[in-house]
Amino acid sequence: GENVEQHPSTLSVQEGDSAVIKCTYSDSASNYFPWYKQELGKRPQLIIDIRSNVGEKKDQRIAVTLNKTAKHFSLHITETQPEDSAVYFCAAPSGNTPLVFGKGTRLSVIA
Amino acid sequence: ETGVTQTPRHLVMGMTNKKSLKCEQHLGHNAMYWYKQSAKKPLELMFVYSLEERVENNSVPSRFSPECPNSSHLFLHLHTLQPEDSALYLCASSQESYYTQYFGPGTRLTVL
Repeated sequence: GENVEQHPSTLSVQEGDSAVIKCTYSDSASNYFPWYKQELGKRPQLIIDIRSNVGEKKDQRIAVTLNKTAKHFSLHITETQPEDSAVYFCAAPSGNTPLVFGKGTRLSVIA
Repeated sequence: ETGVTQTPRHLVMGMTNKKSLKCEQHLGHNAMYWYKQSAKKPLELMFVYSLEERVENNSVPSRFSPECPNSSHLFLHLHTLQPEDSALYLCASSQESYYTQYFGPGTRLTVL
């Protein structure tokens, strides 16, 4: 069925380095791609999203890029800080399902 | 942080018990969702309600029964659950289906 693949499942970076998480989707009609951050014991929170009419969106240290032809989108975090440590989920609409989520990436920022 | 609330935050129940989870949203949204989050699987969509009508049921076992009495409230009624149903149950809401979803804090359910 329709799904969203997310890689890597775990990622460790040194503080100050960049982190990149990639997702692919299968429904070519998908037009909305949010990213959520979930800290330990807390709810998933939207950190950035992009719609299919743009290829890139930035918000301070966070950016998302979208390649509709290849059906993949990526989250970029620059100048990582310890408080960026969390699980990150990508998501995309698929068929009748408003959002299908990736399996998550556990990001660890090492001070 | 208080846009979507869930009660209780923690619940321990036996396999023969009946309990209900409650979700309330204060954002004026028209769509509400139940998700199951476990260590083995990502966020699994269970039910979607749009304008108080159920539009999605992802083959969820009948021991889970949702109820949406109005656009601000959503319930998940539980009965004769199994230990493998232990998980974090998250509620979410959005302005309409296919819009940004905002999550509640979740109910951590343990089935003994």
